[in-house]
Amino acid sequence: GENVEQHPSTLSVQEGDSAVIKCTYSDSASNYFPWYKQELGKRPQLIIDIRSNVGEKKDQRIAVTLNKTAKHFSLHITETQPEDSAVYFCAAYNDYKLSFGAGTTVTVRA
Amino acid sequence: KAGVTQTPRYLIKTRGQQVTLSCSPISGHRSVSWYQQTPGQGLQFLFEYFSETQRNKGNFPGRFSGRQFSNSRSEMNVSTLELGDSALYLCASSLSGTGNTIYFGEGSWLTVV
Repeated sequence: GENVEQHPSTLSVQEGDSAVIKCTYSDSASNYFPWYKQELGKRPQLIIDIRSNVGEKKDQRIAVTLNKTAKHFSLHITETQPEDSAVYFCAAYNDYKLSFGAGTTVTVRA
Repeated sequence: KAGVTQTPRYLIKTRGQQVTLSCSPISGHRSVSWYQQTPGQGLQFLFEYFSETQRNKGNFPGRFSGRQFSNSRSEMNVSTLELGDSALYLCASSLSGTGNTIYFGEGSWLTVV
């Protein structure tokens, strides 16, 4: 089955700096890669996603890149703000299911 | 447009009991999937349904079961509850489940004592 690895597990950045989270997946059949943000006690909230026929996607301060050959994808958050502090999960979709990374706890220091 | 709705939001059960959780997908969404979230195991896939058919099932014991109704609403059931079943159970919906955008509900927090 699909195996998704996510790094780093924790990330502390100064407000205004950039944050980068990287994920790798194992199954080349995976074709959809969403990123979710989860605040304490709340549901995972979709922040951006990318499909396998696209290499990069940007939405304001958030961007995602996908390298199908290397089987890795990354989340980039620019100009971080305190409200960006949360746990971020990457996921890969295949065979009607999402396989999740273990999560990255992002802390933005004011 | 209403989001994914899960009930109940919080519940406490005793070991050995059973529990049924309910999920109403976003209007027009026909794929419903379930995930278990725990601090130790992270987010793990339970099962996925489309048009009342289970298309995939995760690596969970047979005590975990689910179903989908003709209106796309779904239920999951856990029988003979164990302490380790304490978790956040998340329901997610998408149009057809074939790489469409997937949205999560608020979840049902289950505590087994």
